[in-house]
Amino acid sequence: GAVVSQHPSRVICKSGTSVKIECRSLDFQATTMFWYRQFPKKSLMLMATSNEGSKATYEQGVEKDKFLINHASLTLSTLTVTSAHPEDSSFYICSARTGTGGQPQHFGDGTRLSIL
Amino acid sequence: GDSVTQMEGPVTLSEEAFLTINCTYTATGYPSLFWYVQYPGEGLQLLLKATKADDKGSNKGFEATYRKETTSFHLEKGSVQVSDSAVYFCALPGGGSNYKLTFGKGTLLTVNP
Repeated sequence: GAVVSQHPSRVICKSGTSVKIECRSLDFQATTMFWYRQFPKKSLMLMATSNEGSKATYEQGVEKDKFLINHASLTLSTLTVTSAHPEDSSFYICSARTGTGGQPQHFGDGTRLSIL
Repeated sequence: GDSVTQMEGPVTLSEEAFLTINCTYTATGYPSLFWYVQYPGEGLQLLLKATKADDKGSNKGFEATYRKETTSFHLEKGSVQVSDSAVYFCALPGGGSNYKLTFGKGTLLTVNP
């Protein structure tokens, strides 16, 4: 149980384009979803937290107009990297959890984004 | 605020060796504690968890005991395999309704045949 599917797993695109990454909880309702960015050989950096039906809460230093997050249902959240540039190239990982107590977050397999 | 201090690697072991990765934490109250594992090119997987003091989490031969007196949650395995090569993260959920995770910096484990 507690499977999180993230798509696509890898994307390569030209500078200036927008890229959408989907995160789905397959067998549970995710009241909260998280988006992380991971640099090579580093720990995860939390970008934003989103609750179903409400606006995402962004961490300090993360541009909300650059990284658009939508959490329209209890099983789906999307991250759109707008007007991507080479410095946005990274490994993006989503996670999801249910709303009860100290339940763990369950992670997707990540998306390797490469901007040329 | 909450923090996790994790043994920095990299750690290199031979197959069948004993593994310990140290993790200590500071937190308000007594949060759940987690170990996550990240295999190359993948996201994180929950390896094991403990929800209260003296609990022992275990999975795939790995164990960790929630020690309140030493605020520790060290990860151990008696006999590692090549397939255990990965990055291991100790984590605890923070306060607030969203339970954001605080991660350690991660420990890269390489197991050689």
